Amino acid sequence: GAGVSQSPSNKVTEKGKDVELRCDPISGHTALYWYRQSLGQGLEFLIYFQGNSAPDKSGLPSDRFSAERTGGSVSTLTIQRTQQEDSAVYLCASSLGALVGDEQFFGPGTRLTVL
Amino acid sequence: GENVEQHPSTLSVQEGDSAVIKCTYSDSASNYFPWYKQELGKRPQLIIDIRSNVGEKKDQRIAVTLNKTAKHFSLHITETQPEDSAVYFCAANLILGYQKVTFGTGTKLQVIP
Repeated sequence: GAGVSQSPSNKVTEKGKDVELRCDPISGHTALYWYRQSLGQGLEFLIYFQGNSAPDKSGLPSDRFSAERTGGSVSTLTIQRTQQEDSAVYLCASSLGALVGDEQFFGPGTRLTVL
Repeated sequence: GENVEQHPSTLSVQEGDSAVIKCTYSDSASNYFPWYKQELGKRPQLIIDIRSNVGEKKDQRIAVTLNKTAKHFSLHITETQPEDSAVYFCAANLILGYQKVTFGTGTKLQVIP
């Protein structure tokens, strides 16, 4: 079946512009996660959704970052007034639930470059 | 919050040798520890995991050990092959009705033919 998909795969933007990143999780997966991976670094947790609600937004770096999920499916991560330090690969993952052993399946990521 | 340290950051081994990657975590409440493999330009994929009530788990050439008292866990790859070359990430999960995941910084493994 279809895995997690993300769009766009690459995004180049100018400093100060807003960007929207999209994640389509695996159908039926109730849990959705956003991570950020800077060059040569590990994965930094940003936000978690259970259904349409986000019980944990603690990883969002600043108030320029926001995310929403609609219909228990598609999620968008929005970065306002982008800065050069926002350049990274943004990864989305989904899991069937949030129980021990519920594997997170990752999307291919969106590579964001802020000039 | 949870803090996960991973060592080494890079590791080169000869084909056929073993590779060991070690991680430590800080939050004793963490109860699930997956390992991910990320090949260049690709997405992370789960390769093995272990729960806090288990000390060791093995899957063919890959094994993971967990020492809850010392709060560290390790990935062991035996009989390494060139296709094992990738970046490996450990993670500590706190299941609180949802997965609070903290990843290590990754180990770049190079298997030399």
